[in-house]
Amino acid sequence: EAGVAQSPRYKIIEKRQSVAFWCNPISGHATLYWYQQILGQGPKLLIQFQNNGVVDDSQLPKDRFSAERLKGVDSTLKIQPAKLEDSAVYLCASSSSGTSGSLYEQYFGPGTRLTVT
Amino acid sequence: GENVEQHPSTLSVQEGDSAVIKCTYSDSASNYFPWYKQELGKGPQLIIDIRSNVGEKKDQRIAVTLNKTAKHFSLHITETQPEDSAVYFCAASIITPLVFGKGTRLSVIA
Repeated sequence: EAGVAQSPRYKIIEKRQSVAFWCNPISGHATLYWYQQILGQGPKLLIQFQNNGVVDDSQLPKDRFSAERLKGVDSTLKIQPAKLEDSAVYLCASSSSGTSGSLYEQYFGPGTRLTVT
Repeated sequence: GENVEQHPSTLSVQEGDSAVIKCTYSDSASNYFPWYKQELGKGPQLIIDIRSNVGEKKDQRIAVTLNKTAKHFSLHITETQPEDSAVYFCAASIITPLVFGKGTRLSVIA
């Protein structure tokens, strides 16, 4: 079974520029998550989708971050404009709807390392 | 909201020894406690998890224990090997979202 795919793996931008990250979850997984992992810390949830609807975006800085999952499969996370403190690894994870696996288990992609200069 | 504390932040053990990492959580409603292993340049990998209706779970050299009364859970790795060297994260949740600890960097010295 293919894992969670993310691209790009690395991105360097200047502050105030925009950037977008892409995620393709495990086939059949209805729930998709975006996490931000700052160096030396654990991942922190930014947004959670169930199919193409938002379940939780309470920790998403909505003035600069946006995310979408239009067809209930792939997702994109965008930052515009970027700030220095956005430098982090952005992780995408997915979990099943429960019909073919556990609701609880989240599987992570390799992440995108963003550096804002 | 949920808060997860993880200790120690770094841990060095000799190959073959055991390693123990401990976490505490604040929300008594949390019912799912996974452990993830993260190697350099990779995403976190689920290695074991436990739910609140179970006190202990074991998978080969890895075990997790849960004390709901004290609101803490621990990861035990026996017969450590160099390939166990990584950062380990605990997390707690009521299904979702996962709230992670800050991680423990485990170094296994050959």
